[in-house]
Parts: sequence; structure tokens; C-alpha cells
Amino acid sequence: EPEVTQTPSHQVTQMGQEVILRCVPISNHLYFYWYRQILGQKVEFLVSFYNNEISEKSEIFDDQFSVERPDGSNFTLKIRSTKLEDSAMYFCASTEGTYSYNEQFFGPGTRLTVL
Amino acid sequence: SQKIEQNSEALNIQEGKTATLTCNYTNYSPAYLQWYRQDPGRGPVFLLLIRENEKEKRKERLKVTFDTTLKQSLFHITASQPADSATYLCVMDTGRRALTFGSGTRLQVQP
Repeated sequence: EPEVTQTPSHQVTQMGQEVILRCVPISNHLYFYWYRQILGQKVEFLVSFYNNEISEKSEIFDDQFSVERPDGSNFTLKIRSTKLEDSAMYFCASTEGTYSYNEQFFGPGTRLTVL
Repeated sequence: SQKIEQNSEALNIQEGKTATLTCNYTNYSPAYLQWYRQDPGRGPVFLLLIRENEKEKRKERLKVTFDTTLKQSLFHITASQPADSATYLCVMDTGRRALTFGSGTRLQVQP
């Protein structure tokens, strides 16, 4: 069964460093998302991406964040200058259709630890 | 802003019983609600979607209800099993292409 994959599973970085989190969405899916979950807290929407551009973004997704689909399969989240409070689990998700009620398929997540 | 509340942080039940989880929402009238399951350290997994014009939806041992007057959804697992132990997330679409998650109810099914 097709699935969303994410790499790395765990990333440790120093405050102020740049990190790139990678995702491979399901191949025929059209909409891609990033969410984050701080330990013990809710899953929070960051950004959605369609047709090579950002569709929606939350207030969390400020100038330090960017997303890119560098080729036909990868979808990346870049955090330019990491802060301690960026430590969280980051989930990538994708949907087959273009309707907002379509089931979202989540990847296993990348645990980001900022020291 | 729109809010989802799952009023139990944790629920412990005996195997074979029915688990009932509650989700209340405010400041918005969603066209549908979704329920996801999340295991520790894993991504959420979609379970069921119910639309505002549907009172009830079933899938195997799962049942979801949606009461737009009470602004509430109930999620039931019948004949619960230890393998059902997980966190269950009530999720609302706010008309944007983003999901708003509740904080979840951690269900523990005791053998």
C-alpha cells in the first residue's frame, strides 16, 4: 500500500542552524501539507502546497520557514535559523483530491530536537 | 477563532466494552468532522469522516455521530480490544485547506 515517507526520522541541530526536512508524498496525490506537534500538545497546521505554490499557511509559518517541491517526488520543509521552540515532531501529509475533506495521509514524522 | 475540545484526556475501559469519546466544537459550523487515530511517535491515521447532513456513520466496530445543534460528535468503539489503545483525534476542517485538531483522548483498553 502506498505511503508517505519522511527523512530523517530524527534530526538534532544547534540553535541558529538551518534544517531541511524531507518528505515523499504518495505519487498520485496533488495536495501536500506540513504539520507540527510539540511534545504533549495538539497537531498544528503549518502550510499546504498545491501546483507548486503555497495554498494556505498558518501564523506559525513565518519567514523562517519555507517549502519546496524540488523535483517530481520530494517535498521539503526548510527552517532557516532554528530556535529552541522549533523542537517538535513534524509531519508531512498528502491528499489525492483537491477537496479539503479528502482524507489526509500522514507520514511517520521527523522528530526535530534543537539544542 | 474556531475551537475543538475533547473533554477527556484519558479513558480507561475493560476489553469488550464500548468506548465513547466526545468532541465539542465552538465558533464555527464545520461541513464535516474527521476522526483520526494516533499511536505514540507515529503520524495520525484517518478513521472516519462524517458530514453535517449525516447523523451517523459506521465502519466495522466504529461509529460516529454528528449533532450540529449540540455542536458535538461522539465516537464509539464497540467490543473494544487492547489493540484499540491509542489516542483518538477529532479533526475539523475550517473551510481552508487545513485541519484543526483536537488535543485527543488517550484510550486504554484493559485486557
